[in-house]
Amino acid sequence: SYVLTQPPSVSVAPGNTATIACGGNNLGSKSVHWYQQRPGQAPIVVIYYDTDRPSGIPERFSGSNSGNTATLTISRVEAGDEADYYCQVWDSVSDVYAFGTGTKVTVL
Amino acid sequence: EVQLVESGGDLVQPGGSLRLSCAASGFTVSSTSMAWVRQAPGKGLEWVSIFYTEGDTKYADSVRGRFTISRDNSKNTLFLQMESLRAEDTAIYFCAREAMIASGQFFDIWGRGTPVTVSS
Repeated sequence: SYVLTQPPSVSVAPGNTATIACGGNNLGSKSVHWYQQRPGQAPIVVIYYDTDRPSGIPERFSGSNSGNTATLTISRVEAGDEADYYCQVWDSVSDVYAFGTGTKVTVL
Repeated sequence: EVQLVESGGDLVQPGGSLRLSCAASGFTVSSTSMAWVRQAPGKGLEWVSIFYTEGDTKYADSVRGRFTISRDNSKNTLFLQMESLRAEDTAIYFCAREAMIASGQFFDIWGRGTPVTVSS
């Protein structure tokens, strides 16, 4: 199966920038999607196909993907951004939908 | 409104069976691929199974041979039949729609989940 690795936690002060990494073998050759999950709620997609943002998601959320690492960047962080974030890919080799280990974002 | 509502979660003994349902509204389940994703207590998301638009199915290694995904177009509902349940199957089970754009490969609509607890 395909493994995606994320840092367990990221802490950021309000107004600053949060950067969440997602590592995987040759990840740059795949499409990476990012989900936000607040406590007790279902996940929602915040970035898809590496850089695209669904309607209703603030422009403060952006993504990139190159080499073995994809990155979710949250600019001008707000208290409401505090949540768990997961990256996800579809791996054609193992034919599975793989999720990252998840990163808890704490707004100080 | 596009919505998914899961049901059927319960407390079940190890070795037991359970059938989860996911009722869709605002779109037809036959028009897209639909999946189950689970989350064990305090843990991350784990993809379980997918029912592709054309009828093919795929399973995670952890459930293959024990779980069966199916779809009833007349009821606009997705199901997950779970057999030989183990303690490690304890989780919130989410139903999710694969996005109906480009090549899909991500999930744009999620239900609120239904809890499954496997314990004696």
